[in-house]
Amino acid sequence: AQRVTQPEKLLSVFKGAPVELKCNYSYSGSPELFWYVQYSRQRLQLLLRHISRESIKGFTADLNKGETSFHLKKPFAQEEDSAMYYCAGETSGSRLTFGEGTQLTVNP
Amino acid sequence: KAGVTQTPRYLIKTRGQQVTLSCSPISGHRSVSWYQQTPGQGLQFLFEYFSETQRNKGNFPGRFSGRQFSNSRSEMNVSTLELGDSALYLCATTPTGGPGEKLFFGSGTQLSVL
Repeated sequence: AQRVTQPEKLLSVFKGAPVELKCNYSYSGSPELFWYVQYSRQRLQLLLRHISRESIKGFTADLNKGETSFHLKKPFAQEEDSAMYYCAGETSGSRLTFGEGTQLTVNP
Repeated sequence: KAGVTQTPRYLIKTRGQQVTLSCSPISGHRSVSWYQQTPGQGLQFLFEYFSETQRNKGNFPGRFSGRQFSNSRSEMNVSTLELGDSALYLCATTPTGGPGEKLFFGSGTQLSVL
């Protein structure tokens, strides 16, 4: 069965420090992978997707097929990056399998 | 463009009752998916509708059902409510539900079963 794992429930860093949110997947074939983010009092929204290889708000994610990982990275964290981050793999179309989420706190 | 609209925002029901939740997609979006979010299980896929047909279904009991209307609006129904059905129910829409499409989420309906 498809599975997405985010090993860290909580992650705390200081402003200006690099940040990496881990995501591992267990999928047959090559899944489409996404990172979704939920800021406080806002709805869940797409941050980035592997298919478009874009960088949003300074975040990037590299697919490592050997390690079956899709870690999210940003070289210099900002306070406004504090949010809940979800890694997700696409099973088919709109059917996504989400990880458990990582709550990122960026301290001043 | 108006976003995805879910109503009602909050619901309180008792065990054994049934409930209907509504989702209005972004104009032009024909695929509507439903997700259940709980602290213990996280986000879990319920089902997806496209052109008034259920196209995909998650691993939920038959008490959970849905439908889609010709204007793409969707409803989901939960019958014989159980305490464990307490959750945030999210609706997500896309133009076609095709591979790699970005999901647009609503704010959700918070259901409490007493």
